[in-house]
Amino acid sequence: GDSVTQMEGPVTLSEEAFLTINCTYTATGYPSLFWYVQYPGEGLQLLLKATKADDKGSNKGFEATYRKETTSFHLEKGSVQVSDSAVYFCALRGYGQNFVFGPGTRLSVLP
Amino acid sequence: GAGVSQTPSNKVTEKGKYVELRCDPISGHTALYWYRQSLGQGPEFLIYFQGTGAADDSGLPNDRFFAVRPEGSVSTLKIQRTERGDSAVYLCASSSGQPGGKETQYFGPGTRLLVL
Repeated sequence: GDSVTQMEGPVTLSEEAFLTINCTYTATGYPSLFWYVQYPGEGLQLLLKATKADDKGSNKGFEATYRKETTSFHLEKGSVQVSDSAVYFCALRGYGQNFVFGPGTRLSVLP
Repeated sequence: GAGVSQTPSNKVTEKGKYVELRCDPISGHTALYWYRQSLGQGPEFLIYFQGTGAADDSGLPNDRFFAVRPEGSVSTLKIQRTERGDSAVYLCASSSGQPGGKETQYFGPGTRLLVL
């Protein structure tokens, strides 16, 4: 079945550092890919998405490009802030309507 | 309302008891989803409704779990004979239900269930 693999956390960075959180997937066909973020004490929020190969999703300085050849959707940000501290989930939606989520990567940004 | 709401926010029960968890989706959203999130893990799909009917219930772990959406809006997730392993955060999400699968799912804050 469909699956999502993310780099294990926690990831600890200093403010203004460059961030990469790796995400790879296994799915039949052409899934849509998503990054969701969960801030402390809050619910899941959509961060960005890409619905076809070579699409780039972007929001709040975060970017991810849908790479079909490597089945990847890595999340990047050029300069992280303390307020970016959260848990980040990579997810896909394949033929079915439900999402398949990765295990999440906890990011801590230190001032 | 403006977003997906879930009640209660927290529920503590004893092993063997019955619980109901409620989800109010965004007004007008025809698609509704239930997920379960255990500590340190990503959400795990349970069931998906399109309108009043369960379009996919393949994620329900066993027959102790059941969900309804009688009028195509509010949904209730029901757990019978609760077990300690049922302890988790139960998330509800809704979307517009447009065909093609590209629309965004909006998540509620979740109900934290603790079975003692």
